[in-house]
Amino acid sequence: KQEVTQIPAALSVPEGENLVLNCSFTDSAIYNLQWFRQDPGKGLTSLLLIQSSQREQTSGRLNASLDKSSGRSTLYIAASQPGDSATYLCAVETQGGSEKLVFGKGTKLTVNP
Amino acid sequence: GAVVSQHPSRVICKSGTSVKIECRSLDFQATTMFWYRQFPKQSLMLMATSNEGSKATYEQGVEKDKFLINHASLTLSTLTVTSAHPEDSSFYICSAREGLFTGYTFGSGTRLTVV
Repeated sequence: KQEVTQIPAALSVPEGENLVLNCSFTDSAIYNLQWFRQDPGKGLTSLLLIQSSQREQTSGRLNASLDKSSGRSTLYIAASQPGDSATYLCAVETQGGSEKLVFGKGTKLTVNP
Repeated sequence: GAVVSQHPSRVICKSGTSVKIECRSLDFQATTMFWYRQFPKQSLMLMATSNEGSKATYEQGVEKDKFLINHASLTLSTLTVTSAHPEDSSFYICSAREGLFTGYTFGSGTRLTVV
């Protein structure tokens, strides 16, 4: 059974800092890994999708890497801003998992002005 | 990009009544949609997979008769919480994707409060 863990559970940083969020998964047989952002009381916004054959994806100040063999992904946020404050969720789609996404519990990020 | 619309965003209902939540894919067709439930400060829990034209597939522990799912068209899935009770109060979110190699798009969620 696939399990996804995100570390840390919460992170507070001053504005302008670069930061890394971590995600690990137990079953490396995945189709893809997706990072989402969730603001309080809102739905999920997709940030980056990494297919199993890819090593990383970039969008603006965000860079996500994937090391499938070790079951790890990182989300790097450059020059953080207060508007980046949210909960970041990592989810994997496992092969043979009937298209189901398995989510981590998220990292709650607070960027202080 | 792909857009999933979910309505209503908030609903308050009395115990014993039923509530319907709609999930629409606005610019693509989705043969499969997914319904999640999220408790406060918890991650998303998959409730069921909605299949167009056939019965939904429910996760273990999810009551089929309480959470009725209908996927009558390629752009619309509905979740009906029947005979709602306060313990059904939660945040419900749906998702879908355009194709097998695209990411999942989520609706904006529905906050259900049963009083």
